[in-house]
Amino acid sequence: SQTIHQWPATLVQPVGSPLSLECTVEGTSNPNLYWYRQAAGRGLQLLFYSVGIGQISSEVPQNLSASRPQDRQFILSSKKLLLSDSGFYLCACGGNTIYFGEGSWLTVV
Amino acid sequence: SQELEQSPQSLIVQEGKNLTINCTSSKTLYGLYWYKQKYGEGLIFLMMLQKGGEEKSHEKITAKLDEKKQQSSLHITASQPSHAGTYLCGADGAYNTDKLIFGTGTRLQVFP
Repeated sequence: SQTIHQWPATLVQPVGSPLSLECTVEGTSNPNLYWYRQAAGRGLQLLFYSVGIGQISSEVPQNLSASRPQDRQFILSSKKLLLSDSGFYLCACGGNTIYFGEGSWLTVV
Repeated sequence: SQELEQSPQSLIVQEGKNLTINCTSSKTLYGLYWYKQKYGEGLIFLMMLQKGGEEKSHEKITAKLDEKKQQSSLHITASQPSHAGTYLCGADGAYNTDKLIFGTGTRLQVFP
């Protein structure tokens, strides 16, 4: 079965600083990869998804970006964080079944 | 765009009681997923339904997808404190667009 590694698990960053969250997948090849954000008291919001290397679809216009430099690597980035970027970020991987990583807590201060 | 509505938003039940969570889609569901999430943790996959009328069970949790494939229910029999958490339904985007969208979740608390 697939294993998803996400890091860092917790991050506290000042406003205006850059961000890089990384997700790697084991146990599968050419998976669909997803980045979700879960803000406090709200549901899961799909941010980006990728069906292959270099192929990124953005769901929500914002100051975040995603890249997929390798088949099983998915990176979420920002050049300048906003307070509203705080939340719980989840990487997911799937084909017939979607599996999730353990999440990364981001607090922008 | 497809939307998923879950009800109720929260649920508090006594241990041993049965409960049902519903998930309704504005469009035909091509694949319906149920997940459980503990606060601050990732989502744990429970079940996936694809066919109209399909029903799956795992331990004391049963999920059903209606014939029209627009509504799913999750039923827990004889609830236990270990069932506490947030349950989310997720669905493949209409016309198989590779996106997976989620409902807002149902928070379940089980007290002794």
